[in-house]
Amino acid sequence: GIQVEQSPPDLILQEGANSTLRCNFSDSVNNLQWFHQNPWGQLINLFYIPSGTKQNGRLSATTVATERYSLLYISSSQTTDSGVYFCAVARFSGGYNKLIFGAGTRLAVHP
Amino acid sequence: EAGVTQSPTHLIKTRGQQATLRCSPISGHTSVYWYQQALGLGLQFLLWYDEGEERNRGNFPPRFSGRQFPNYSSELNVNALELEDSALYLCASSVQGATYGYTFGSGTRLTVV
Repeated sequence: GIQVEQSPPDLILQEGANSTLRCNFSDSVNNLQWFHQNPWGQLINLFYIPSGTKQNGRLSATTVATERYSLLYISSSQTTDSGVYFCAVARFSGGYNKLIFGAGTRLAVHP
Repeated sequence: EAGVTQSPTHLIKTRGQQATLRCSPISGHTSVYWYQQALGLGLQFLLWYDEGEERNRGNFPPRFSGRQFPNYSSELNVNALELEDSALYLCASSVQGATYGYTFGSGTRLTVV
């Protein structure tokens, strides 16, 4: 099956700093999403981005499908950005359909 | 619009017992997905239901089972609970089979003692 690797596994930032999270995947995919899991366990869908670049406020994401990686950029980080960021991918094949998650990047933003 | 709702929020069971977790999808969503997240780990795919049928299953033993009702809500049953079943169980819903529209519930935290 598809392998999803995220880096770095842990990241500590001072408030206001910028960061880049990376997601590598082992095969072609039809779907790639970034999620943020807050400290209470709630998963929030940040981006649906199988290719190209998207921006939403201080967050932006870029997926280079041909090279099988995606990047999530966080600018001017805030303490509320803390939590775990997951990359998830899916490839549709004969009706087989599920999101495969990476292990996540745990981000802590300190004031 | 109501989101994906899961109940109960927390559940404590004894080893060997059975646990039943419930999920109500967003209105209009027919697909329900179950994931297990052990403490500090990523999400492991458990089950996918759509239109009342089990469409796909992750690498979990048969004591993990479930069903989807005509109103598209879903139950996850875990029989013969083991200590390692302690985890956060997350449910997501989407329109039929469309992973791009995943919306997750807040989860049920199952503790097996």
